[in-house]
Amino acid sequence: EDKVVQSPLSLVVHEGDTVTLNCSYEVTNFRSLLWYKQEKKAPTFLFMLTSSGIEKKSGRLSSILDKKELFSILNITATQTGDSAVYLCAFPSNRDDKIIFGKGTRLHILP
Amino acid sequence: AAGVIQSPRHLIKEKRETATLKCYPIPRHDTVYWYQQGPGQDPQFLISFYEKMQSDKGSIPDRFSAQQFSDYHSELNMSSLELGDSALYFCASSLRTSLSDTQYFGPGTRLTVL
Repeated sequence: EDKVVQSPLSLVVHEGDTVTLNCSYEVTNFRSLLWYKQEKKAPTFLFMLTSSGIEKKSGRLSSILDKKELFSILNITATQTGDSAVYLCAFPSNRDDKIIFGKGTRLHILP
Repeated sequence: AAGVIQSPRHLIKEKRETATLKCYPIPRHDTVYWYQQGPGQDPQFLISFYEKMQSDKGSIPDRFSAQQFSDYHSELNMSSLELGDSALYFCASSLRTSLSDTQYFGPGTRLTVL
């Protein structure tokens, strides 16, 4: 069964720290891995990763995929209180249209 | 850039009532997905539509139905509401022909059943 596991489940750091969120996966016929940020509302798309070793970057956020070791990391540098959210790792199902989400990492940034 | 629009944003209903949630996808997107997210849960896929036809079905109760209209907006109809239907309902859209797997989510409708 396809699955994605995120760690840590929860993380509390001070503003300005750098954090690394982990996502490991087991997916048959892997196509892509997706990162979303969810605050109190809808998941907001961050990155789609398809190729190993190519870093995707958006401001202070970056992500990379390792297809050999079956994991991805999401880095956030110089964290701000606005980064507090649940970060979801996900992949598109091969059997139907849904996105399969991990349980998420709940990140809380202390001022 | 235009995003997915959902209405209403909040809805309070009583048990056994019906509710209709609306979703307007990103312009030119041809596929719409519905998800249900309970408190502390990750979003669970309900149903999807591609080019106005049902594409896939997930864990959607028989009391719920949905459709996609000619202008690509979609409606989720929920009948005989139960307390357990209280959740955030997200709509997402994508452009299937772009070969991208990315689904873009709307802001959600928070349904509370009393």
